[in-house]
Amino acid sequence: QSILTQPPSLSGAPGQRVAISCTGSSSNIGANFDVHWYQQLPGTAPRLLIYSNTNRPSGVPDRFSGSKSGTSASLAITGLQAEDEATYYCQSYDNILSASIFGGGTNLTVL
Amino acid sequence: QVQLKESGPGLVRPSQTLSLTCTVSGGTITSGDYYWSWIRQSPGKGLEWLGYIYHNGATYYNPSLKSPISLSVDTSKNQFSLTINSMTAADTAVYYCARDPRYCTSTSCHDHWGQGILVTVSS
Repeated sequence: QSILTQPPSLSGAPGQRVAISCTGSSSNIGANFDVHWYQQLPGTAPRLLIYSNTNRPSGVPDRFSGSKSGTSASLAITGLQAEDEATYYCQSYDNILSASIFGGGTNLTVL
Repeated sequence: QVQLKESGPGLVRPSQTLSLTCTVSGGTITSGDYYWSWIRQSPGKGLEWLGYIYHNGATYYNPSLKSPISLSVDTSKNQFSLTINSMTAADTAVYYCARDPRYCTSTSCHDHWGQGILVTVSS
């Protein structure tokens, strides 16, 4: 059971918008620690998609965006494409555990 | 473009010590702009951050880990290493090394990852 809760799976049709939630608590996201998002394609290492809540590294399409409010964060993907089919993870810091933590991951299926 | 690559044994016996090395190419490990992390991924526990090291040898480990770990750096070889003692079946995972840019301040982020190495603990 991850401290950062993500829906295990989500699906959407090509061209649609989907949003993946990451719910934490007052000891992590709610304590104003930044949230990062990663995309992991099958058989590959995770790739940094969004850092510090809203920022995209160079090379990440602007179809991907991040937001954060209160004890939750969200990753939105617009204009869904087949290549977006992957598992997405959120990451933050927890000041009770004194460690960086990851969400359990959301498996996104493009219908 | 910086690249990272893990190396080490794919099979470890229970109670033995695991040693993995990450070789960095296309960039220098002595850059003050980065920390260097180890992260593992197992089917049962998902992604777990293990710890990071700075080029001067300063380290920070995940206090939640059941098995003690140790990180070291060899700047002459542009490498950093992970050691885990007393391995158990629960330590079976894909182990990744990663680069942590210092512009991620409150929570470290990992902008470049190695391809990962599967380590199985079995007799």
